[in-house]
Amino acid sequence: DQQVKQNSPSLSVQEGRISILNCDYTNSMFDYFLWYKKYPAEGPTFLISISSIKDKNEDGRFTVFLNKSAKHLSLHIVPSQPGDSAVYFCAAHSLEDKIIFGKGTRLHILP
Amino acid sequence: NAGVTQTPKFRVLKTGQSMTLLCAQDMNHEYMYWYRQDPGMGLRLIHYSVGEGTTAKGEVPDGYNVSRLKKQNFLLGLESAAPSQTSVYFCASSLPTGRREDNEQFFGPGTRLTVL
Repeated sequence: DQQVKQNSPSLSVQEGRISILNCDYTNSMFDYFLWYKKYPAEGPTFLISISSIKDKNEDGRFTVFLNKSAKHLSLHIVPSQPGDSAVYFCAAHSLEDKIIFGKGTRLHILP
Repeated sequence: NAGVTQTPKFRVLKTGQSMTLLCAQDMNHEYMYWYRQDPGMGLRLIHYSVGEGTTAKGEVPDGYNVSRLKKQNFLLGLESAAPSQTSVYFCASSLPTGRREDNEQFFGPGTRLTVL
């Protein structure tokens, strides 16, 4: 049973507009969440994270929102740029210090 | 500072053959991980290690063995490769410090393995 779910396999957004990537989780014990970005033929790289005691974390064009009651988080990218085209993985820290990844969402930024 | 490196980058095996994937990190990280990535499946943890000489099973450990004889190296072995093990394998490492904010995992570039 998937504990971290990214229900949209892909998303297309016009350059300059806002990209919103969504993620749901099932385990209320998760206390830290991360987003990783992956380009083809490369390993994932850390993008942004959020602790469960916060509801928002911002880093430049990237903002992650956490709604604990809904067990939902989202990544906002604004404005979207061509270099943002990649696969984005939502992930959660388990109590055993392991990271559990979602299946990923492929973001296409359209010119 | 090379970060996390993986050897080889590509490999084609026949069913039943064995091979070892090597992961090396030069960041003095305690924790190391092996993941596999399959289409539509995301990243799944195979095995991990919280320190030299220790290993533990992840989500999909069957068919794989690992060893962590040196802190900087984490080896993933396939004793008898099967077509179901065709995948892209990623190694990662992390410090960690006890603060979640510091537990970022750094990934290698991946090894693309095909088992015929």
